[in-house]
Amino acid sequence: DAGVIQSPRHEVTEMGQEVTLRCKPISGHDYLFWYRQTMMRGLELLIYFNNNVPIDDSGMPEDRFSAKMPNASFSTLKIQPSEPRDSAVYFCASSRALLAGGPDTQYFGPGTRLTVL
Amino acid sequence: DQQVKQNSPSLSVQEGRISILNCDYTNSMFDYFLWYKKYPAEGPTFLISISSIKDKNEDGRFTVFLNKSAKHLSLHIVPSQPGDSAVYFCAASGTYKYIFGTGTRLKVLA
Repeated sequence: DAGVIQSPRHEVTEMGQEVTLRCKPISGHDYLFWYRQTMMRGLELLIYFNNNVPIDDSGMPEDRFSAKMPNASFSTLKIQPSEPRDSAVYFCASSRALLAGGPDTQYFGPGTRLTVL
Repeated sequence: DQQVKQNSPSLSVQEGRISILNCDYTNSMFDYFLWYKKYPAEGPTFLISISSIKDKNEDGRFTVFLNKSAKHLSLHIVPSQPGDSAVYFCAASGTYKYIFGTGTRLKVLA
């Protein structure tokens, strides 16, 4: 399997612009997670989906952030408008579902390094 | 408020010696704990996990210890190798979410 695929790998944009990050989870995985990594806060969970349905978006920092999962093989994280403090590495992860319920071990993509000038 | 804390941002160890990475948590409802390793420009990769019903789990050179009363877990790497140089994240879960620490950068000196 190709693993979790994220694009772009690097994004540099100017403050106020819209940014869209993309993720293709591992085929057959039922859960998809979006994380943000910063030096101060480490890896923060932003939102996660189960079977394409958003389950918990309590980690989304502001209304400027939105995420969608239109089908089992694609998800987007959008920031509109972007601000310099959004600069971070954004990771997507996916996992299978356990028979007992809940997600199994999470597999991470390589991340998108976002820089907002 | 950080529910999972890795108080040592970095650690240097000589090749062949033991590396001990520590992690503290505050939520007693956490029942599953994991360690992930991250190399530069790559995503974190799963290393080892432990359920709260155990106090030790071993996988080759890697052992995770859990002390529930102290709300503390540690990762031991023996013997340490230069290829182990990476950032290590601990994570805890009590629901379907992982709560990660801020990471410890391990450098194994040849």
